[in-house]
Amino acid sequence: GAVVSQHPSRVICKSGTSVKIECRSLDFQATTMFWYRQFPKQSLMLMATSNEGSKATYEQGVEKDKFLINHASLTLSTLTVTSAHPEDSSFYICSARELKRQETQYFGPGTRLLVL
Amino acid sequence: GQQVMQIPQYQHVQEGEDFTTYCNSSTTLSNIQWYKQRPGGHPVFLIQLVKSGEVKKQKRLTFQFGEAKKNSSLHITATQTTDVGTYFCAGTKRSQGNLIFGKGTKLSVKP
Repeated sequence: GAVVSQHPSRVICKSGTSVKIECRSLDFQATTMFWYRQFPKQSLMLMATSNEGSKATYEQGVEKDKFLINHASLTLSTLTVTSAHPEDSSFYICSARELKRQETQYFGPGTRLLVL
Repeated sequence: GQQVMQIPQYQHVQEGEDFTTYCNSSTTLSNIQWYKQRPGGHPVFLIQLVKSGEVKKQKRLTFQFGEAKKNSSLHITATQTTDVGTYFCAGTKRSQGNLIFGKGTKLSVKP
C-alpha cells in the first residue's frame, strides 16, 4: 500500500530556532499533501493544503509566515516552523493524496515537536 | 463553517462487548472516511463510504453511511484488546475536498 514517511519523528529545539519537517510519499506521486496539527487528546486540525508547484493554501488562523510550506516535487513537501515558541510544541502530521486515488489520504507517522 | 460531530468522546468496554461511535455533520457530505489512531501512532485509513445508505463490513467492523449522507457510524462486534485506540470520522463536502475530522472516540477495552 501507499507509504508516507516523515522526518524527523521527534525534535527538541530551543525557542527562537526554526525546524524543518519533511513529508515524503515513498511509492506514489502526491499532487496534494496536507499538514495537520494534533494537540494531546485532540483531533487533527488541518493547517494547510500543499499543492505541487504552487503556493500552499492555509486554513483560517494559521500564520503562513510562521509555518512555511514548500511542495517542490510530487513526492516531497516540507513544513518549516520559523522562530518556534513553546506554544508551537505539538504533533505535526502530514498526509498525501495519491494522483490516481484522489479520495484517499495516506498519513505519515507524525513529528513530535517540543520547543523549550 | 462545516462541522463534524462525533460521540461519544470516550468509551470503556469489557472485552467481548460491542462498541459503536457516531458521526454527524451539519451539512451533506460527499463521502465519509474512518481512521484509527493507536496510542502514540498516526491515523490509519480504515474505509471510505460514498453512497447514501451504504453499509460496509471489515471482519468485526461495520460501517454505515446515512440515507441523507449527514451521519455515519462504526460498530465493532465483540471487541478485543487490539481494538484499543481512537477512531476518527472525517468527511468531505466535495468529492476531492479537504477532510474535516471529528474529535474522535477513544476506545479502551478491559481484558
